[in-house]
Amino acid sequence: GAVVSQHPSRVICKSGTSVKIECRSLDFQATTMFWYRQFPKKSLMLMATSNEGSKATYEQGVEKDKFLINHASLTLSTLTVTSAHPEDSSFYICSARDYRSPYNEQFFGPGTRLTVL
Amino acid sequence: GQNIDQPTEMTATEGAIVQINCTYQTSGFNGLFWYQQHAGEAPTFLSYNVLDGLEEKGRFSSFLSRSKGYSYLLLKELQMKDSASYLCAVMDSNYQLIWGAGTKLIIKP
Repeated sequence: GAVVSQHPSRVICKSGTSVKIECRSLDFQATTMFWYRQFPKKSLMLMATSNEGSKATYEQGVEKDKFLINHASLTLSTLTVTSAHPEDSSFYICSARDYRSPYNEQFFGPGTRLTVL
Repeated sequence: GQNIDQPTEMTATEGAIVQINCTYQTSGFNGLFWYQQHAGEAPTFLSYNVLDGLEEKGRFSSFLSRSKGYSYLLLKELQMKDSASYLCAVMDSNYQLIWGAGTKLIIKP
């Protein structure tokens, strides 16, 4: 299957700082990538849909000024958590849809665990 | 509203068979996915059903009934490594995935 990488895998930062998470599709071009957040023992919560060359589409309740998404190329999307606070601590996962796949499924990156002190 | 229901937790014995059910109510339907997620890791794709019936893939099988809004994932010959959460997700009319909360499967020796 298609491979999606995510960096960093873990990050600890101080409250008030910004953190950037990168999501890359390694062996395919992804016009659409997705950013999820997951709390312990909870399901995936879609934050936004990232479209190459255009603005991201945010889900209701997600602050676009706090979670900045940039999809500058067909293989890279970034999520920047601005002015992070402890309540932003979570597991962030990106995924990309490989349109070559007959199932149109999403392939997930390994996730980034963010801890804000 | 859109809704995916699946049991929160199930326990089964190594070597046995377990069936994880998923019921859904969504605006439109473009397929149902099952993903496996080990603790602290990202989900991995298991199966996809868009037509009624059973899809078999090794020890795992997935069934779909669109008229009943129902699917199940069947795991045979359970192994300890199958201990994980199993996520049911439906692709709606906008091709967006609607996720269930996941079923934590505990395998006992």
